[in-house]
Amino acid sequence: NAGVMQNPRHLVRRRGQEARLRCSPMKGHSHVYWYRQLPEEGLKFMVYLQKENIIDESGMPKERFSAEFPKEGPSILRIQQVVRGDSAAYFCASSPREGNYEQYFGPGTRLTVT
Amino acid sequence: AQSVTQLDSQVPVFEEAPVELRCNYSSSVSVYLFWYVQYPNQGLQLLLKYLSGSTLVKGINGFEAEFNKSQTSFHLRKPSVHISDTAEYFCAVSAAILYNQGGKLIFGQGTELSVKP
Repeated sequence: NAGVMQNPRHLVRRRGQEARLRCSPMKGHSHVYWYRQLPEEGLKFMVYLQKENIIDESGMPKERFSAEFPKEGPSILRIQQVVRGDSAAYFCASSPREGNYEQYFGPGTRLTVT
Repeated sequence: AQSVTQLDSQVPVFEEAPVELRCNYSSSVSVYLFWYVQYPNQGLQLLLKYLSGSTLVKGINGFEAEFNKSQTSFHLRKPSVHISDTAEYFCAVSAAILYNQGGKLIFGQGTELSVKP
């Protein structure tokens, strides 16, 4: 049973470009969470999605960031017009049901903005 | 809202010595508590969790933690550490399911455990 997959593992973007981060949850999991780990900070919740629905986006920056989890395919975290402050590790976690208590984390995507 | 404080940012310890990593939380509602470990350039792995019941929780790799409701603490312990335990450890909370907050995790700042030979 494959774990949570994230790609790419490393992503370099120039300021102003777009970054697309992908997350394939574990088989049978329909709940996806995105977290960001900034340098010298802990992990911060960004968004919680179920298939085709955003449930909680209280941790998402108001501008330039969006997320989706379509009926088919991976969850996507999209950052438009990246800035240097977006450089961070972005982690995806999946869970088989809401409030299931345990989230399984992917290896993360390390975004570097130059 | 919930918050988590990990009282030590770095903990150096010698191999085979005991270790305690401290975690305190704040919440107006009942919570579930977790400890995760992160090895360099990897994702997070669950060490143990407290949902209800016995306040002493045993996890993987010989770790255990004790939930203390009166002190709002969930300290992580291991009686004898190995070099391979060197990693960053995160304490996290989520609101109990009945509060319908979706299970998002609120993390502490992390504690770097460095085990020296």
